[in-house]
Amino acid sequence: GQQVMQIPQYQHVQEGEDFTTYCNSSTTLSNIQWYKQRPGGHPVFLIQLVKSGEVKKQKRLTFQFGEAKKNSSLHITATQTTDVGTYFCAAGNFGNEKLTFGTGTRLTIIP
Amino acid sequence: NAGVTQTPKFRILKIGQSMTLQCTQDMNHNYMYWYRQDPGMGLKLIYYSVGAGITDKGEVPNGYNVSRSTTEDFPLRLELAAPSQTSVYFCASSYLEAGRQPQHFGDGTRLSIL
Repeated sequence: GQQVMQIPQYQHVQEGEDFTTYCNSSTTLSNIQWYKQRPGGHPVFLIQLVKSGEVKKQKRLTFQFGEAKKNSSLHITATQTTDVGTYFCAAGNFGNEKLTFGTGTRLTIIP
Repeated sequence: NAGVTQTPKFRILKIGQSMTLQCTQDMNHNYMYWYRQDPGMGLKLIYYSVGAGITDKGEVPNGYNVSRSTTEDFPLRLELAAPSQTSVYFCASSYLEAGRQPQHFGDGTRLSIL
């Protein structure tokens, strides 16, 4: 079955530093989604990437889909305490009813 | 707009007991999903449904059952609770299949089996 790995598993950064999490798939994807889960909360959809090499930005967050559509990254510039949480990528294929969630990267911020 | 509603929010069960986790959505979504999330881990798919009357197994279906008699409701049944089923359970829905549309999650049910 499809496997989606994320690295790193944990990341501790000083407030104001940048943060990046990487998502790698064993197969070529149709699209990839990113979700954020605050401590004690539920996953919340952030964005979906569909095109090879696609880059999308949401304020301080930059999402990228690899040229081969097998990997993706999320970069946060100048982290804030509100960025604390676990970030999951989720791999999708058109026509497939299911998403395969990555293992997640837990981000903690040192004030 | 309530979105996806899960009940109860917390529950403690004894080994061997049964219970039903409720999930309802008011967005007229066709696709519904049940996930479990163990502490510090990712989401594992238990069961999913592509519409009323249609259900299918996910990655970890053993020990669970589901039904989908209406578009709105997708209950998850635990028949003989075991300690390994201690987890947080999330229900999610989407209008189209998960690869094309974002999933909307409920707040979760935190279940402990003692």
